[in-house]
Amino acid sequence: AQSVAQPEDQVNVAEGNPLTVKCTYSVSGNPYLFWYVQYPNRGLQFLLKYITGDNLVKGSYGFEAEFNKSQTSFHLKKPSALVSDSALYFCAVSALGANTGKLIFGQGTTLQVKP
Amino acid sequence: NAGVTQTPKFQVLKTGQSMTLQCAQDMNHNSMYWYRQDPGMGLRLIYYSASEGTTDKGEVPNGYNVSRLNKREFSLRLESAAPSQTSVYFCASSGSAAVRQPQHFGDGTRLSIL
Repeated sequence: AQSVAQPEDQVNVAEGNPLTVKCTYSVSGNPYLFWYVQYPNRGLQFLLKYITGDNLVKGSYGFEAEFNKSQTSFHLKKPSALVSDSALYFCAVSALGANTGKLIFGQGTTLQVKP
Repeated sequence: NAGVTQTPKFQVLKTGQSMTLQCAQDMNHNSMYWYRQDPGMGLRLIYYSASEGTTDKGEVPNGYNVSRLNKREFSLRLESAAPSQTSVYFCASSGSAAVRQPQHFGDGTRLSIL
């Protein structure tokens, strides 16, 4: 069965410091991996995706994510955090070739960036 | 630049009442989805429609029905609401059922069932 785990409920960083939000996955076959962000009282917004190719994926708002097949991880990173990055972040996975568009979401990680 | 529009934004129901959550997208997307979001559980797929005229169950379909009215609209119906259905409901759409297409989300319907 496919699954996604985000091991940290909350990540706290100081503004200007690098941030990492962790995600590990379990899927049969090659995965499609996504990161979404949710601001209060809003829907999810797409940040970036990994389908195939380069293991370092760049996305919106200066975020990037590193795909590591051996560790089955897809951690979200940003070199310098902003207070406005504070939000709820979701990792999601779907199996390559599954033409349903169905995604499995992690439980979410709250990112708190303090001035 | 509406994207995905959900109505209503808030609703309070009594146990046993029925209601329909509406969703419309203006991006000419083929695929549409209904999720529920509960604290600590992420998003769980209720139903989806890979293309107009088709619907399929997701992870948590019990107690819900859906209708893909046309390419733009995908509604979610609670026939007899239960307190366990108190949640935030999100509708999403994507260009096609191919998983490489990112999903676009509405701002949600916050539903409380007393």
